[in-house]
Amino acid sequence: DAKTTQPPSMDCAEGRAANLPCNHSTISGNEYVYWYRQIHSQGPQYIIHGLKNNETNEMASLIITEDRKSSTLILPHATLRDTAVYYCIVRPHTGTASKLTFGTGTRLQVTL
Amino acid sequence: DAGITQSPRHKVTETGTPVTLRCHQTENHRYMYWYRQDPGHGLRLIHYSYGVKDTDKGEVSDGYSVSRSKTEDFLLTLESATSSQTSVYFCAISGEKGAGGDLPTEAFFGQGTRLTVV
Repeated sequence: DAKTTQPPSMDCAEGRAANLPCNHSTISGNEYVYWYRQIHSQGPQYIIHGLKNNETNEMASLIITEDRKSSTLILPHATLRDTAVYYCIVRPHTGTASKLTFGTGTRLQVTL
Repeated sequence: DAGITQSPRHKVTETGTPVTLRCHQTENHRYMYWYRQDPGHGLRLIHYSYGVKDTDKGEVSDGYSVSRSKTEDFLLTLESATSSQTSVYFCAISGEKGAGGDLPTEAFFGQGTRLTVV
């Protein structure tokens, strides 16, 4: 499975955009990039995913580079409730290979 | 919330005893996963299932077994619990979409089971 690399921690001021980078240089053609977050000790929560085009939903935007070797999750107006650990995951295609493997993620601290 | 339930939510057991954790879903999703989470390690995949009776090992499968006899239930068993298996266990489910059923859907996680082995 392709591995991901994320910074261990980041800070962001409330109301500003939080840009969380992820490196996945060994990603293969049919692997999707997924982002999840985990607030305190709750179960992880899905945020967004994409294959090669940029994606946006009500929570965030996902920017994937043209070579697909890295991506950035953007929280446009971070709030204190966005403080969490954010996981970038590369997910293989379906079938027997569709396991979901997490790294250690980025701990985002949103401050006043 | 996605229809996924873990039971029990909390359990304390003694070293050497067998323990079974249950993950139940009402979404009819194909894939089910068991993770453990420990401080400093993030979420680590124990076992996963890609269909009834179809399971495979994750990165930390030693000391654990799983069974999936029907779509809705995925059981995680610790045959002889050890203190190193004290952890928070999460179950997750995900499905497929698209005309060929070849597009993975997002995963939904349960609320976790806190297991303490004394």
